[in-house]
Amino acid sequence: DTAVSQTPKYLVTQMGNDKSIKCEQNLGHDTMYWYKQDSKKFLKIMFSYNNKELIINETVPNRFSPKSPDKAHLNLHINSLELGDSAVYFCASSQGGSSSYEQYFGPGTRLTVT
Amino acid sequence: AQSVTQLGSHVSVSEGALVLLRCNYSSSVPPYLFWYVQYPNQGLQLLLKYTTGATLVKGINGFEAEFKKSETSFHLTKPSAHMSDAAEYFCAVRPNSGGYQKVTFGTGTKLQVIP
Repeated sequence: DTAVSQTPKYLVTQMGNDKSIKCEQNLGHDTMYWYKQDSKKFLKIMFSYNNKELIINETVPNRFSPKSPDKAHLNLHINSLELGDSAVYFCASSQGGSSSYEQYFGPGTRLTVT
Repeated sequence: AQSVTQLGSHVSVSEGALVLLRCNYSSSVPPYLFWYVQYPNQGLQLLLKYTTGATLVKGINGFEAEFKKSETSFHLTKPSAHMSDAAEYFCAVRPNSGGYQKVTFGTGTKLQVIP
């Protein structure tokens, strides 16, 4: 029943490690996003994919690499994790061709880098 | 370039009192406007949106917002606050054009409801 799901919900790891976060949506949407929310709740878009094609790529370190195997999935791989990567990462989806443009968010993945 | 400003990072109201959360936008043409709510340890959920048509928009949980072009504002209101309204609220804007446009979120307003 979950519209947008993310795994894992919590991720604790050490500096220098590589980790991945997975996202799946069952809404039939064609556009998916990754957002980063910092400790002050500021929400910033990182990437957006439409039908597996990258359409928005904000100024994000090359250590972050998104991958969309199909339009229902968008994963985020992070190499060489740094302390500053600690945040909550949200996946979202929307139907790009509709007039509503509202986004549906997943529950978030809280990443803690020690 | 579009931007959105939420006045007041924290707002406290008594239970039963009026809720008013302020949002102003900056855009060369009126954008699409959204209010999202984030409950603790959860993702964002759409409260309401303005795209075209009626400028007074009603959303879920008794919230409404009015688009005022002359004031470049989209303030969120609720006549009577409930304890369950305590959450973080985000105003967001998107260019009102086709294609795949970026949504810009405000910095959020944390609403505290005092019993």
